[in-house]
Amino acid sequence: QKEVEQDPGPLSVPEGAIVSLNCTYSNSAFQYFMWYRQYSRKGPELLMYTYSSGNKEDGRFTAQVDKSSKYISLFIRDSQPSDSATYLCASLRSNYQLIWGAGTKLIIKP
Amino acid sequence: EAQVTQNPRYLITVTGKKLTVTCSQNMNHEYMSWYRQDPGLGLRQIYYSMNVEVTDKGDVPEGYKVSRKEKRNFPLILESPSPNQTSLYFCASSSSEKGSTDTQYFGPGTRLTVL
Repeated sequence: QKEVEQDPGPLSVPEGAIVSLNCTYSNSAFQYFMWYRQYSRKGPELLMYTYSSGNKEDGRFTAQVDKSSKYISLFIRDSQPSDSATYLCASLRSNYQLIWGAGTKLIIKP
Repeated sequence: EAQVTQNPRYLITVTGKKLTVTCSQNMNHEYMSWYRQDPGLGLRQIYYSMNVEVTDKGDVPEGYKVSRKEKRNFPLILESPSPNQTSLYFCASSSSEKGSTDTQYFGPGTRLTVL
């Protein structure tokens, strides 16, 4: 079993929709969770990170962690075509090594 | 401009021909790392370095070597490439090893094909 699981998609939604991207993880010791965005032919860039359970909001983006179910979510409100990218979740091992999901390809249709 | 650079961006080579992919960062970061990215598998760490002359294996180190003689440079060496090393490679850096909670800055990627 992978430590971080993520549906690769693609996920296609119309512009303006609310997008929900999700990951699950298996290691209950994970405390830090990150979301990175990767545009085609580019390296990943950090979107948000959260510590432990709860929500964190940054503009149109909300990251949510539910430690009881080992579930990580990223919500995008008022989605735009420029949000089309691959979204990667990651969790931090106790040795500070990042463990990555496979990435979900998101397509926002104008 | 703060950045991580990699060269070459694209490389096609043949089995067994030694190659080096260079990585350089201009942010004075201590922590540097190499990943490979494969469809359905996501990013997997090959090697990382917490400072000059300090390197350690990640999850998939077999067939790779690294060195960290200077803070800014972290080359990835494939002594005898094989077709299963065909992949997209990323170099990344951050300000400390603990800051894998800090932002990791990624290079633009090197697409390697081994025939």
